[in-house]
Amino acid sequence: NAGVMQNPRHLVRRRGQEARLRCSPMKGHSHVYWYRQLPEEGLKFMVYLQKENIIDESGMPKERFSAEFPKEGPSILRIQQVVRGDSAAYFCASSIAYEQYFGPGTRLTVT
Amino acid sequence: GENVEQHPSTLSVQEGDSAVIKCTYSDSASNYFPWYKQELGKRPQLIIDIRSNVGEKKDQRIAVTLNKTAKHFSLHITETQPEDSAVYFCAASAPGGKLIFGQGTELSVKP
Repeated sequence: NAGVMQNPRHLVRRRGQEARLRCSPMKGHSHVYWYRQLPEEGLKFMVYLQKENIIDESGMPKERFSAEFPKEGPSILRIQQVVRGDSAAYFCASSIAYEQYFGPGTRLTVT
Repeated sequence: GENVEQHPSTLSVQEGDSAVIKCTYSDSASNYFPWYKQELGKRPQLIIDIRSNVGEKKDQRIAVTLNKTAKHFSLHITETQPEDSAVYFCAASAPGGKLIFGQGTELSVKP
């Protein structure tokens, strides 16, 4: 039973480019959460999605950030026109009930 | 808004001693409290959790206690081993299922 998958594991972008992060939940899980972790800090909630629906995006910046979880394929977190402050580890977690299981994360570096 | 405070931020113990990490939460509606262990550069790993209808839960050397009245919950690790060294995060559920994380505790177990 494969765990939560994320790709890429590392992503380097120049300021102004777009970053696209992918998350495939565990088999049978229909809930996906995205969290951001700045260096030596805790995890901050960004967005919660179910298939084809955004349930809660209260933690996501209003501009430049968007997320989707299509009927087919992985969930995608998109960051447009990246800035240095977007450099962080982005984790997704999948869930079927209470427990959330995390993927390995995507470490985004903006140069 | 929802908030979780975690103490201490760093904890150093001798191998074989016990370690205790404490958290408080602000949202009285929180009903699920997981603990995660994160090794350097790795994903947060769910190690134990407790729901609000239970006061204590134990799994081998790890136990969690919950005091709903005081909005406190704690992680207890007995007979610590060097491989327990990591950053530990507590979390509390918020409306919709998202998790609010504490700031983390860096545990160091000295052989």
